[in-house]
Amino acid sequence: SQTIHQWPATLVQPVGSPLSLECTVEGTSNPNLYWYRQAAGRGLQLLFYSVGIGQISSEVPQNLSASRPQDRQFILSSKKLLLSDSGFYLCAWSAVVGNQPQHFGDGTRLSIL
Amino acid sequence: AQKVTQAQTEISVVEKEDVTLDCVYETRDTTYYLFWYKQPPSGELVFLIRRNSFDEQNEISGRYSWNFQKSTSSFNFTITASQVVDSAVYFCALVGAGSYQLTFGKGTKLSVIP
Repeated sequence: SQTIHQWPATLVQPVGSPLSLECTVEGTSNPNLYWYRQAAGRGLQLLFYSVGIGQISSEVPQNLSASRPQDRQFILSSKKLLLSDSGFYLCAWSAVVGNQPQHFGDGTRLSIL
Repeated sequence: AQKVTQAQTEISVVEKEDVTLDCVYETRDTTYYLFWYKQPPSGELVFLIRRNSFDEQNEISGRYSWNFQKSTSSFNFTITASQVVDSAVYFCALVGAGSYQLTFGKGTKLSVIP
């Protein structure tokens, strides 16, 4: 069966520091991968998605970037964090074909001080 | 543009009561998919159901049932005989065929009181 791992679970970072969140998927090949942010108030916002290695699409302009160095690895990064980057970050994967459900990791709670 | 509206921000019910969570959507796509997800206090989103726009049959899974009505653009979710473990935020979501962008509603927080 497929599993998705996301770490760290919680992170407290000072403003201006860099960020690296990692997500890996097991048990499937060539998945679609996604990064979401959930700010206070619960809405989920799609940040990036990837349909293959090195292929990243950004949905909103922001202080963040994403990379997919391997088929089942998806990384969310920032060079300098802002206070507004605080939130709950969720990684997800889906099968390639036919708008299959997205399956989510456990999330990372990021607090910027 | 697509839109998903969950008008109920928070609902509280007493255990064993039935509860219906409303979801209304807007889309110009003729083929689309609707989803429900559950987010317990621990934070992860758990997939519950997917329904495509051509399948209007209602579905039942244990205490959960879903009512899809294309005529009213609604995809409502009913929990029968609610339990404390059902306490969570529930999200309705929509994606057009061939699109990667899942549009989420703002969620409904369900509290089941023992």
